[in-house]
Parts: sequence; C-alpha cells; structure tokens
Amino acid sequence: DVKVTQSSRYLVKRTGEKVFLECVQDMDHENMFWYRQDPGLGLRLIYFSYDVKMKEKGDIPEGYSVSREKKERFSLILESASTNQTSMYLCASSYPLGVTGELFFGEGSRLTVL
Amino acid sequence: QQQVKQSPQSLIVQKGGISIINCAYENTAFDYFPWYQQFPGKGPALLIAIRPDVSEKKEGRFTISFNKSAKQFSLHIMDSQPGDSATYFCAASPTQGGSEKLVFGKGTKLTVNP
Repeated sequence: DVKVTQSSRYLVKRTGEKVFLECVQDMDHENMFWYRQDPGLGLRLIYFSYDVKMKEKGDIPEGYSVSREKKERFSLILESASTNQTSMYLCASSYPLGVTGELFFGEGSRLTVL
Repeated sequence: QQQVKQSPQSLIVQKGGISIINCAYENTAFDYFPWYQQFPGKGPALLIAIRPDVSEKKEGRFTISFNKSAKQFSLHIMDSQPGDSATYFCAASPTQGGSEKLVFGKGTKLTVNP
C-alpha cells in the first residue's frame, strides 16, 4: 500500500515561531503537494514539486516555503507563523497525473497558531 | 479560469436514496476529473475519476456523469448508505503541458441518515 506519512498530526505554535511540517512518501512518486484545508474553502494548493529541488507555487503560497532535498520527502515551512495560518495541512504525492491520475494523501497535520 | 465550483455545500439523504453532487469548471484545458472522499480524521482518497472522452463512468454505486459542452460533471451515489457519510470533493486538472495541479471544489458534506 502507498503510504504518505505526515510526521506531526497536531501542533500548537506561537505567533512568530518557525514551523516545519514534514511529509514522507514510500512509492517513489515524482510529484508531491501541500494543500491547506479550511471549512467552507475546500482544499487549496500551497506548493507543488515535480522533482527533487523543483517547486512551483500553488494558489496560496504567501507566508509559506517548501523544501525537497530528497525524492521521498517534502517539507512545508512557515517562516513566521501567524494566527491566520491555523489550519489543517495535507500532504499528497502522485505519479504524473497523465499516467495514473491518483493523488495519495497523508492524514493531515492540524496546526494551531496562538 | 482555475476554479471548480461545487454544490451543494451540504446534503442530507435518507438511507437508500440517491445523492447527487454537482461541479462546474471554466478552464477548457482541464482533461481529468476525479472525485475524492474524505472521512473525518483522514486524508481524502480517490473515489472515482473520468476523462472527457466518455460521458459516464460507473463503479458500483458511484457514477460520474460528464457534460463537456456545459463544462459540468456530477457524482451520483445510488442506494446511499450511512457508511457513505463523508465529505466529497470534485477536482479537475490538465494532464498535459507540465502543470499537473489538481484544483479542488470546496467540498460537499454528505450525511446519510439510517
């Protein structure tokens, strides 16, 4: 079974702290994604990576950065957390969508910024 | 151009009834239309997907209907069961041109009453 593991299920941070959200996939997928999920707003793409060291901005990249040093690992970084970044963060991975079309999601990291 | 509009936001159906969720898109470059199902505390998982070369795809009790000229697609759940209670997301993506970012609708929370 494909597994996408998000290292932290629940985090509580203070405003201004630097936050790292880690994601690891075990299927040798080229693509990895970070989404943010908020009630009534659905899933919004923050960043996308289609290869090691490659990244592309999604729809809401402001206040976030990402790192992909190894194929299996994709990290989301909040340089200075703010209360409006309190949310559920979902990592996903896939082969190129034109090949299999399926995104595999982790179980999410719920971040609260006080 | 990048939006996928999903309705309704919430839906309550009696056991055995038909659940219908609708989505519309504007970007004619979209050529892949999946539906994802998310149970509480879990990440979304692919339920069923369609490409625009067919007008309908059925998997068990779940059917996607696709209307290319109207740029609309819908999910029908026949004989709805309490175990189908979840949040459903439609999505769309181009699979050519190197930008394979799924755009999600805002989600529909389905409750199937016993």
